[in-house]
Amino acid sequence: DIQMTQSPSSLSASVGDRVTITCRASQSISINLNWYQQKPGNAPKILIYAASSLQSGVPSRFSGSGSGTDFTLTISSLQPEDFATYYCQQTYGARTWTFGQGTKVEMK
Amino acid sequence: EVQMVESGGGLVQPGWSLRLSCATSGFTFSNYWMSWVRQAPGKGLEWVANMKQDGSEIYYVDSVKGRFTISRDNAKNSLYLQMNSLRVEDTATYYCVRAWAKPGTGPPLDHWGQGTLVTVSS
Repeated sequence: DIQMTQSPSSLSASVGDRVTITCRASQSISINLNWYQQKPGNAPKILIYAASSLQSGVPSRFSGSGSGTDFTLTISSLQPEDFATYYCQQTYGARTWTFGQGTKVEMK
Repeated sequence: EVQMVESGGGLVQPGWSLRLSCATSGFTFSNYWMSWVRQAPGKGLEWVANMKQDGSEIYYVDSVKGRFTISRDNAKNSLYLQMNSLRVEDTATYYCVRAWAKPGTGPPLDHWGQGTLVTVSS
């Protein structure tokens, strides 16, 4: 099974900061990597799919990059509504999927 | 508006069974793969199962294989999860999620229900 490792597990940042979250796969997954945002009490929401494609309606301050085993989610200028937990997910092979353990973005 | 509404959660004892249902609307259900994803209290997301439009492909996470069964009724626009031999570690909120129309095309999990809580405890 493909394991996904996110780092850091949590981070503290201020409004306006540039935030970067990384996700590493245990084997190459090409660009079959997606990013989700989850706020307390709510279902997750997809932000980025296929490593770098921005989901419709998601602000352009969110971006994704990477391929193979190493991926990055970047928030270019953190906004108050961006404090949340972020998960990466691999969909390589379209069969069995796995999520990373999550990264909680907190206010400094 | 695309909607998924889960039902059937509750408190059960270890070893018991439970059947979750997901009523969908706002899209052509029979055109999409569907998924179940769960989240234990205070923990991260765990993908549980996927099912192709016609049921010809089904996949499960190892921890539920042989105990859980995903199914769908395209005429009723509904998805199900039959959960047998429940364990304490199955305690979680279970989300019904629309997956993609074709693997690798577009976002894989773009619409989520609000979830139904399953608690397994003696």
